[in-house]
Amino acid sequence: AQSVTQPDIHITVSEGASLELRCNYSYGATPYLFWYVQSPGQGLQLLLKYFSGDTLVQGIKGFEAEFKRSQSSFNLRKPSVHWSDAAEYFCAVGGENTGFQKLVFGTGTRLLVSP
Amino acid sequence: DAGVIQSPRHEVTEMGQEVTLRCKPISGHDYLFWYRQTMMRGLELLIYFNNNVPIDDSGMPEDRFSAKMPNASFSTLKIQPSEPRDSAVYFCASSLWGGAGGRNEQFFGPGTRLTVL
Repeated sequence: AQSVTQPDIHITVSEGASLELRCNYSYGATPYLFWYVQSPGQGLQLLLKYFSGDTLVQGIKGFEAEFKRSQSSFNLRKPSVHWSDAAEYFCAVGGENTGFQKLVFGTGTRLLVSP
Repeated sequence: DAGVIQSPRHEVTEMGQEVTLRCKPISGHDYLFWYRQTMMRGLELLIYFNNNVPIDDSGMPEDRFSAKMPNASFSTLKIQPSEPRDSAVYFCASSLWGGAGGRNEQFFGPGTRLTVL
């Protein structure tokens, strides 16, 4: 079965510090991987996505993620966090096994940014 | 483009009442998804459509829930009768088929916060 694990429910980072949010997936075929961000009271917005090619992908707002097939991971990183990055972050996987369109989401990681 | 539009943004109703949530996908998109988000269960896919046809409704919790897509620009999610445990944020999302190679990004609406008393 397809699944996504985000092991950290909450993470607190100081403003200006670096950030890494973990995502592990289980998928029986080539995965397509996504990171979405949800600000309070808002819908989900796509940060970045991986389909193929370069395993380090760049996204909006200075975020990047690295696909590591051997570790079944797709961790999200940012070198310097801003207070406006406080939000909930969701990792998702899709691909052939789920008809390409259907995504399986993780439970999310809530990021808190301290001054 | 206005993005995915959902209405109402907030709905408060009493147990037993019928609730109808509405969604207008992005023009030209051929997939539409309904999700439910709660603290306990996270983000759950309820149902999705392709070209107005329901493809997978395995996430619909029970017969009280129904969804329709009468045309490419409108979909409804109905709960009848509603119960307090249906209280959640309901999201609609749409996407455009990008072929087997992927590129199938889902665009989410702002959500409808439903409270059933």
